[in-house]
Amino acid sequence: DTAVSQTPKYLVTQMGNDKSIKCEQNLGHDTMYWYKQDSKKFLKIMFSYNNKELIINETVPNRFSPKSPDKAHLNLHINSLELGDSAVYFCASSQGRESSYNEQFFGPGTRLTVL
Amino acid sequence: GQQLNQSPQSMFIQEGEDVSMNCTSSSIFNTWLWYKQDPGEGPVLLIALYKAGELTSNGRLTAQFGITRKDSFLNISASIPSDVGIYFCAGQRYTDKLIFGTGTRLQVFP
Repeated sequence: DTAVSQTPKYLVTQMGNDKSIKCEQNLGHDTMYWYKQDSKKFLKIMFSYNNKELIINETVPNRFSPKSPDKAHLNLHINSLELGDSAVYFCASSQGRESSYNEQFFGPGTRLTVL
Repeated sequence: GQQLNQSPQSMFIQEGEDVSMNCTSSSIFNTWLWYKQDPGEGPVLLIALYKAGELTSNGRLTAQFGITRKDSFLNISASIPSDVGIYFCAGQRYTDKLIFGTGTRLQVFP
């Protein structure tokens, strides 16, 4: 029944570790996104994939690597975690490439805390 | 990166009151969107606006696409407790990425 799902919901880890967040959508959408929401609630896009092809790659440290095994999944792997990576990460999907008519559906978020 | 400025930053109102918030940008957008985020959840689209001057309603919510294409407004009439949350505007130029606003946190007291 869930449209866009993310796992885990909460992730607490030590600095320097490597972790992954998984995202799946069952809406049949072609485009998926990763957003980061900081402690001030500011939402900023990180990556966007359309049919497994990377189309948006914002200025994000290369410790962050998205991987899309198929168009229903977009995972986010983070190497050498830093304190500043603590945030809520949202996955989203939309029907096609970003356009005026394609609503983005957001997942419930993954709260990452780096100690 | 670019941010859209929303005001007010937060609002504390009584149930039944009307609410107004706005969003301004230094650049022009082709699409304006308004999202609501409940605690512990992702943003949910409330209203989408595609044309300068457009006024669109969704129940008690009404949003307008500013004539200059650099601003947008959201009004909520007769607020209820479940209106509590953070409201975000977002702008988009053609097929470019969404740029989100700084958010307006709404608290409704019974």
